[in-house]
Amino acid sequence: GAGVSQTPSNKVTEKGKYVELRCDPISGHTALYWYRQSLGQGPEFLIYFQGTGAADDSGLPNDRFFAVRPEGSVSTLKIQRTERGDSAVYLCASSTRTGRTEAFFGQGTRLTVV
Amino acid sequence: AQRVTQPEKLLSVFKGAPVELKCNYSYSGSPELFWYVQYSRQRLQLLLRHISRESIKGFTADLNKGETSFHLKKPFAQEEDSAMYYCALTRGFKTIFGAGTRLFVKA
Repeated sequence: GAGVSQTPSNKVTEKGKYVELRCDPISGHTALYWYRQSLGQGPEFLIYFQGTGAADDSGLPNDRFFAVRPEGSVSTLKIQRTERGDSAVYLCASSTRTGRTEAFFGQGTRLTVV
Repeated sequence: AQRVTQPEKLLSVFKGAPVELKCNYSYSGSPELFWYVQYSRQRLQLLLRHISRESIKGFTADLNKGETSFHLKKPFAQEEDSAMYYCALTRGFKTIFGAGTRLFVKA
């Protein structure tokens, strides 16, 4: 596809359940980022991948959150034992390289934990 | 700590009026600053970056290191400018966003 694709666009889950959110970056983009956007806030950095490795996961709020990018393309954000406070829009972005280049965002996955 | 502050949650102006969206930052090094925009039902996208000193859709932003500001300006607002605007600071590969300002341009 031409842009960053995120699936699903909406996810409703029960408290305590496990969820996976998928991001398909722009082809050839080596840098991939996950952000979380809570209501009324700007995007908050979660984790950054350069290729297959997580170069910085300092934004992950706790060990219930984990992300992988096994082949350096598609990434999955995994949340265990979801809590109501995890409800937010999860954004993925990709770029050709780090920092100084434009990051292209997906449309986001709206996660609602009930 | 690095921080981006957008003091206005909502800014409402009439079409044709000048608009200024404020952004202040705190950063100990040389910052790279950006403005992102999100139109209704669209994804977040880059509007402009300070290093290119460009004007996009009539918007400009000047980095003022003395005041640690990067305000976004447009001399004559258009209805299609109505959107959420986020100021952002990049440190290495981590981008820190402000909380955003919703611009509403009235006819």
